Amino acid sequence: QKEVEQNSGPLSVPEGAIASLNCTYSDRGSQSFFWYRQYSGKSPELIMSIYSNGDKEDGRFTAQLNKASQYVSLLIRDSQPSDSATYLCAPSDYNFNKFYFGSGTKLNVKP
Amino acid sequence: DAGVIQSPRHEVTEMGQEVTLRCKPISGHNSLFWYRQTMMRGLELLIYFNNNVPIDDSGMPEDRFSAKMPNASFSTLKIQPSEPRDSAVYFCASSSTSAINEQFFGPGTRLTVL
Repeated sequence: QKEVEQNSGPLSVPEGAIASLNCTYSDRGSQSFFWYRQYSGKSPELIMSIYSNGDKEDGRFTAQLNKASQYVSLLIRDSQPSDSATYLCAPSDYNFNKFYFGSGTKLNVKP
Repeated sequence: DAGVIQSPRHEVTEMGQEVTLRCKPISGHNSLFWYRQTMMRGLELLIYFNNNVPIDDSGMPEDRFSAKMPNASFSTLKIQPSEPRDSAVYFCASSSTSAINEQFFGPGTRLTVL
């Protein structure tokens, strides 16, 4: 059973702060890692992907990967109320095709 | 560009009825995934296809569920007979294995079985 662990939250941060979302995974064969954002009543939306150890930045988002620790995180700088959503972590299998989704972390950004 | 298209968006049916959900993947994508999302179990992969061939159906809950992909632009997920515990949001996603396998989700079908 391949497990993906995320703190369900809610994680509450004030507007303008940095939100830090964490994820651990059990499958050492995972090669690629994805973060999805899901607003209430909507479908998951891909926001970041990362494949190599280290950091990857895209605008206000930074994904961090440490394969040795089986840990991946997402940082959101200058958090906005519009960032309030559930964030899903999804490592892939070794074939890069099948994703294993965590249960998600609910983020609340307070104005 | 059109994204993944799903129909219907909402379906209300009675226990025992047959339900068919439909999906059109993004043009050029060769992998298609069916997921189910509930509060209790989160987002679960039911089945995925690669080049119209079912690759992994280990997530299909039981024989009442079946999925087909007759061509590259259409897939169905059928539940027969439906039960109240099948009530969930069903998502279809597609990806391209020639790229980096990022999956893009459709808007989902909210199924309610009374």
